[in-house]
Amino acid sequence: AQSVTQPDIHITVSEGASLELRCNYSYGATPYLFWYVQSPGQGLQLLLKYFSGDTLVQGIKGFEAEFKRSQSSFNLRKPSVHWSDAAEYFCAVVLADRGSTLGRLYFGRGTQLTVWP
Amino acid sequence: NAGVTQTPKFQVLKTGQSMTLQCAQDMNHEYMSWYRQDPGMGLRLIHYSVGAGITDQGEVPNGYNVSRSTTEDFPLRLLSAAPSQTSVYFCASSLTGRETQYFGPGTRLLVL
Repeated sequence: AQSVTQPDIHITVSEGASLELRCNYSYGATPYLFWYVQSPGQGLQLLLKYFSGDTLVQGIKGFEAEFKRSQSSFNLRKPSVHWSDAAEYFCAVVLADRGSTLGRLYFGRGTQLTVWP
Repeated sequence: NAGVTQTPKFQVLKTGQSMTLQCAQDMNHEYMSWYRQDPGMGLRLIHYSVGAGITDQGEVPNGYNVSRSTTEDFPLRLLSAAPSQTSVYFCASSLTGRETQYFGPGTRLLVL
C-alpha cells in the first residue's frame, strides 16, 4: 500500500503566480514529513520538514508547508513562483518502527513543476 | 565535510555482469540507505542500515546485496545485472532514520 500520495504528476504555473503542491499520507500515527526538490540531473535537496509543534513550517527558497492531521495532508506552498523553481518536488514520510528511534523514508511519486515566463 | 559521496557517476553494464556502487559519508551518521529512482515512481528504498554490521531490506531489495563493515561506507552490490535494474541510484545518510536524510549526487546505471 502506498504511504505517500502526490495526486498531481505535472503542474504548470506562470512566473509570479502562487503554487500549491499536494501531498497526502496514510499512516496511523503522526509521521515525520519532508519535502525535497530535485533539479534536472541533480540530487535531492531538503526544502522543509515537519516533526512536531507548529503545523505551518517554513523552508528554504520561500516555501512553506502546512500539516493538517484531519486531512492527512502536508501541502507545499509558495506565494510567488520564480522561473528557477522549475523542478521535480517529492513529498516523503518516515514511518517509524514501533519502539524505535529509527525509521524508513518513503517517497511520493513526485510532481513536476513547469514555470512559464 | 564532503557529505555523501557516490561513485561512479555513470556506469554501463551488460546483462549478467556484477558491480558495486560505492557510497561514503563523513558525518558519522548511523543510518544509511539506498534508493532507486525511476520515471514516475519516485524514489524507492532498496536496503538500509542502522549501523555497522546491521542491514535490512526496503521496498525493492531483490537483485541487490549490501553490507556495512564501517560507519562511513555502505556499498550496494548487483550480483547479476538485469535490464530492469537500469535506474538512477541514490545513497543517503542521517543520524537516525527519523532525521533529515542527506543524499549523494546519484549513480546513473544502464544495463544492456
